[in-house]
Amino acid sequence: GAGVSQTPSNKVTEKGKYVELRCDPISGHTALYWYRQSLGQGPEFLIYFQGTGAADDSGLPNDRFFAVRPEGSVSTLKIQRTERGDSAVYLCASSSGPRIAGANVLTFGAGSRLTVL
Amino acid sequence: AQSVSQHNHHVILSEAASLELGCNYSYGGTVNLFWYVQYPGQHLQLLLKYFSGDPLVKGIKGFEAEFIKSKFSFNLRKPSVQWSDTAEYFCAVDSGGGADGLTFGKGTHLIIQP
Repeated sequence: GAGVSQTPSNKVTEKGKYVELRCDPISGHTALYWYRQSLGQGPEFLIYFQGTGAADDSGLPNDRFFAVRPEGSVSTLKIQRTERGDSAVYLCASSSGPRIAGANVLTFGAGSRLTVL
Repeated sequence: AQSVSQHNHHVILSEAASLELGCNYSYGGTVNLFWYVQYPGQHLQLLLKYFSGDPLVKGIKGFEAEFIKSKFSFNLRKPSVQWSDTAEYFCAVDSGGGADGLTFGKGTHLIIQP
């Protein structure tokens, strides 16, 4: 597609529920990133995929968070047993290739705003 | 761990004023540097980037930034701001080490008064 598409744009859920957030990257982009942006903060790195595999998941805050990218295109961020502190905007970004000497130019989606009541 | 510091969280200027937003990072090795902008209601967009070469880089909409290695800084500048520059500005660093993602600063909320 023309840009990075994220759905849903807004999600309100209750504490303890399970949530899935979807990211459709730019067509042909092999690298995909998930970030989380809390109010008043910059985006924080969660996980990076190169193709189908998670090349780095060191930013995932705990084992309630998981992400997949089974066919190397669309990715889903999954959050189990949501907590109020999970409320944030979850951003997805993609880039055209793997990291080459750190030369990442990321294109971001509009984000999914998650509110946990 | 890599960190990025943006000194001003909120800046208010009048149209035609000059702008400088500070950004400092902590990593001592080779870095790639970015400024992203988020206009109201829109997603993050790349404003400009530095990978190598001339430390003064020019971006879109008349913005420029200067990489000063000795000061670990990458300040954003614009000689004359416009009302449409009202936005959130984020400095980001890719150090090539640690996490594969960019490390962002907390952002500067810029308001331009007409």
